[in-house]
Amino acid sequence: GENVEQHPSTLSVQEGDSAVIKCTYSDSASNYFPWYKQELGKRPQLIIDIRSNVGEKKDQRIAVTLNKTAKHFSLHITETQPEDSAVYFCAASMNRDDKIIFGKGTRLHILP
Amino acid sequence: GAVVSQHPSRVICKSGTSVKIECRSLDFQATTMFWYRQFPKKSLMLMATSNEGSKATYEQGVEKDKFLINHASLTLSTLTVTSAHPEDSSFYICSASNRGTSSYNEQFFGPGTRLTVL
Repeated sequence: GENVEQHPSTLSVQEGDSAVIKCTYSDSASNYFPWYKQELGKRPQLIIDIRSNVGEKKDQRIAVTLNKTAKHFSLHITETQPEDSAVYFCAASMNRDDKIIFGKGTRLHILP
Repeated sequence: GAVVSQHPSRVICKSGTSVKIECRSLDFQATTMFWYRQFPKKSLMLMATSNEGSKATYEQGVEKDKFLINHASLTLSTLTVTSAHPEDSSFYICSASNRGTSSYNEQFFGPGTRLTVL
């Protein structure tokens, strides 16, 4: 089955700097890659997603890149703010069964 | 956007009892619902996939007799934790998707249910 690896597990950046989280996936059939932000005790919130027919997608301060050949994708957050502090999960899914497989998560701390 | 609710939000029960958790899609018909569990500071682990009107498909290592899933309608799926034990204490989250929409991979998550077994 699909396996998603995520790094780093913890990331601390100064407010205003950029944060990058990287993920790899194992199954080349995966074609949908969502990113979620989860605050303590809350549901995961979809913040951005990308499908395998594009290499990059941007939404304001958040961008995601996808390299299908290497089977890796990354989340970039620019001009980080205190409210960006949370746990971020990458995930992969495929048309075959729509299951979403999550990475282990990255705890992002924005330092004042 | 699509809204998914869960009930109850929190439940505390004694060891050996059974607990039922409901997951509802409020404004769309969910052809498929998924159940996850999440331990503190860990990721979401998929437990099973539930399609309306058919038996759930369980992930490897998940006991189907322990975690009973019913998807009786296009808006409701239930997870029953049978004979609960302290190690079943966790955050249980459901999600729902609808292959009839353009975002057929996208899943909409419920707010989660925190189960504590004493």
